[in-house]
Amino acid sequence: QVQLQESGPGLVKPSETLSLTCTVSGGSVSSGSYYWNWIRQPPGKGLEWIGYIYYSERTSERTNYNPSLKSRITISIDTSKNQFSLKLSSVTAADTAVYYCARAQGIEYFQHWGQGTLVSVSS
Amino acid sequence: QSVLTQPPSASGTPGQRVTISCSGSSSNIGSNTVNWYQQLPGTAPKLLMFSNNQRPSGVPDRFSGSKSGTSASLAISGLQSEDEADYYCATWDDSLNGWVFGGGTKLTVL
Repeated sequence: QVQLQESGPGLVKPSETLSLTCTVSGGSVSSGSYYWNWIRQPPGKGLEWIGYIYYSERTSERTNYNPSLKSRITISIDTSKNQFSLKLSSVTAADTAVYYCARAQGIEYFQHWGQGTLVSVSS
Repeated sequence: QSVLTQPPSASGTPGQRVTISCSGSSSNIGSNTVNWYQQLPGTAPKLLMFSNNQRPSGVPDRFSGSKSGTSASLAISGLQSEDEADYYCATWDDSLNGWVFGGGTKLTVL
């Protein structure tokens, strides 16, 4: 059974960069069959897709980001550690949210989710 | 403002049937399949329905989904107290080139 686990600081200062890592077990991030995503949920609000990274040994990696966040996002992958990561720069209080990593079956659906990690932006 | 439109709340009594709607456009629901996620309080979302009307293993057949044109709906029959949760629809949007979600519907079992 695939499991995903987010990790990273729970508190980030305004204007700094939020960095999170998702560790995958029970499956390989380099399998080439799945899209590895970040999704966030501000307290008391709905879900927002942040972006994904796709990797296969044949085609290397490909990323796709939410246009509203694109200028501030970088998603990368570390196949040796079976992890993928999110960097969100120039954060403000509006970036306070529970951040989830999730595996998607192509562009079909999010099949597996991490438990989520709350990141607060505050000085 | 979410790309997909859901009612913010829904309710029903045990045993009743409840329907939650999800409205979109030609670039999202009109062109792609719809998925539904159930989020119990304090937990991560869980895939409840995929490809409009397919239930993952373990999801009771009390849950059903449908899609017509640019709208989709989730129906829950034989409502139970453990169905009290937030429900989100989602799909791919060809114009945005990314996933979009509904704003979520909070289901209360009275």
